[in-house]
Amino acid sequence: DAGVTQSPTHLIKTRGQQVTLRCSPKSGHDTVSWYQQALGQGPQFIFQYYEEEERQRGNFPDRFSGHQFPNYSSELNVNALLLGDSALYLCASSLPGLAKNIQYFGAGTRLSVL
Amino acid sequence: QKEVEQNSGPLSVPEGAIASLNCTYSDRGSQSFFWYRQYSGKSPELIMSIYSNGDKEDGRFTAQLNKASQYVSLLIRDSQPSDSATYLCAVNDGDYKLSFGAGTTVTVRA
Repeated sequence: DAGVTQSPTHLIKTRGQQVTLRCSPKSGHDTVSWYQQALGQGPQFIFQYYEEEERQRGNFPDRFSGHQFPNYSSELNVNALLLGDSALYLCASSLPGLAKNIQYFGAGTRLSVL
Repeated sequence: QKEVEQNSGPLSVPEGAIASLNCTYSDRGSQSFFWYRQYSGKSPELIMSIYSNGDKEDGRFTAQLNKASQYVSLLIRDSQPSDSATYLCAVNDGDYKLSFGAGTTVTVRA
């Protein structure tokens, strides 16, 4: 049973560039959430996708956008990269509905902005 | 701003001892509570979930929830060097997202 998979593992970009990160959810899951984790901090919620729509968004600027495909996989796009965007980006998948549903995390994409 | 606060670390315990981790949350409407373990450079891994007041035990781990006091704790009994990691408290207040604390780093001394 495949878990949550993310690609790429590492990425180096320069300020002002754009980046796309990808996520495939755990088998049977149809909800995907994205989190940003800066060094030494807990993950911060970016947004969640369900039924190909953004269901909820955290306190992140519009430079952060996403998409969910019919097969439930998802992309996170970040435009006009800033040095402060350097972080571990985590994708989590879950079943829809109940707050009790557990979110399972992928291995993450480490983004470095120079 | 919904907040999750964890006791500051790092926490150093000898092998075989009990490690005690605490977490408080600000939103009284929170419904679900989770403890994730994160090894350095890795992603968070769920180790415990708790939804009702009281204790929940799973192997060497015990989670405790007190909604009236708005705190949740994690006890690690018979601590092993492999338990050395950062432990993240996460709270779901019903609107889908998880709110995380900053984490407590635990080091188990052999």
